[in-house]
Amino acid sequence: EDQVTQSPEALRLQEGESSSLNCSYTVSGLRGLFWYRQDPGKGPEFLFTLYSAGEEKEKERLKATLTKKESFLHITAPKPEDSATYLCAVYYGGSQGNLIFGKGTKLSVKP
Amino acid sequence: GAVVSQHPSWVICKSGTSVKIECRSLDFQATTMFWYRQFPKQSLMLMATSNEGSKATYEQGVEKDKFLINHASLTLSTLTVTSAHPEDSSFYICSALTGRGTISPQHFGDGTRLSIL
Repeated sequence: EDQVTQSPEALRLQEGESSSLNCSYTVSGLRGLFWYRQDPGKGPEFLFTLYSAGEEKEKERLKATLTKKESFLHITAPKPEDSATYLCAVYYGGSQGNLIFGKGTKLSVKP
Repeated sequence: GAVVSQHPSWVICKSGTSVKIECRSLDFQATTMFWYRQFPKQSLMLMATSNEGSKATYEQGVEKDKFLINHASLTLSTLTVTSAHPEDSSFYICSALTGRGTISPQHFGDGTRLSIL
């Protein structure tokens, strides 16, 4: 069964304390992996697309990496405004509705 | 760029009422839009794929007569929840594709919180 699993479910960090979020997937024929940020009561905000193993993307304090089985979202020196739920979604081909979303990691950054 | 607007953001209505939710792409044309449902602490569940000028494609288990989707233009898709009941209460989110024939990300609206009394 095609699956996307994110860990941990929740992560509490102190401001400045770097860490990583994990997204592991078991789909065949990965075509793309997307990272989104979702604030409470809002829709997901697009962050990154990764297409192949070894690829990396960076944006401010965030860096996303991809291997053949998982992706990591590294957060360097986080600030309280980075607090949100981070969603990973995998596109495995065919109709572009074929996205499987993980349940997300809720990140809280305390000042 | 790639702004998707969803309206209304919150609806409270009585059981049996029909509710229409609008999803607009503001700065791009979207040939394909998607409708999702999200429960607390759960992942987004795709309900249907909406293509401009054609009938929507519904996911297994989603009642097409219950959730009516219309995509009449390249910038507007609507979801109508007909004869809504309390079990239809949820967070509904639309998204749109900016690319055509490419692996492009979906861009999401801010969702509609639907509460049926």
